[in-house]
Amino acid sequence: EAQVTQNPRYLITVTGKKLTVTCSQNMNHEYMSWYRQDPGLGLRQIYYSMNVEVTDKGDVPEGYKVSRKEKRNFPLILESPSPNQTSLYFCASSLVVYNEQFFGPGTRLTVL
Amino acid sequence: AQKVTQAQTEISVVEKEDVTLDCVYETRDTTYYLFWYKQPPSGELVFLIRRNSFDEQNEISGRYSWNFQKSTSSFNFTITASQVVDSAVYFCALSERGGSTGNQFYFGTGTSLTVIP
Repeated sequence: EAQVTQNPRYLITVTGKKLTVTCSQNMNHEYMSWYRQDPGLGLRQIYYSMNVEVTDKGDVPEGYKVSRKEKRNFPLILESPSPNQTSLYFCASSLVVYNEQFFGPGTRLTVL
Repeated sequence: AQKVTQAQTEISVVEKEDVTLDCVYETRDTTYYLFWYKQPPSGELVFLIRRNSFDEQNEISGRYSWNFQKSTSSFNFTITASQVVDSAVYFCALSERGGSTGNQFYFGTGTSLTVIP
């Protein structure tokens, strides 16, 4: 089954404790992306990747890191989480940037 | 500046009414793509449609229809004879192909539609 998986689905953590949210797709897509969804702000792109070893900033990259060492995986790293990073995070992939994006189920992160 | 504007934050309609969700976009590129996604209360994001900038033909899919007008930079979405299952947040989005700002994907802030039985 074609899908984008994210783990964990829910996470409560404390300020400053490094965490990684994993994202994996099995569709051989080149384009992968991370978004955060906040009330009233819609989805905002954090980082995206055009292909392996190619990543670039979206609109809200501060406080986040990503890597794309393999085509299928695109982890999101918060090295020192802060409460303003409490949000719902979505990973997505598409064949190329202008194609339909397939979304993971979302990760609800709470930073205390 | 917002690349995609969905001015309607919340809309409520009574079942069987028609409803139009507005989307206005901003781009300097000649080649771009517009999308609509649905997010039901369960939270997943569901793709509805993609249009490219060279195809202004309106599209109909069952009770859904889309009106793309380059002259007004709008890509509006109409649901005919709304049903309770249409209750969701709807997002409009823009992708610029190798655009001036890179390869970002821009979403609007969403319109929350409630269909009252």
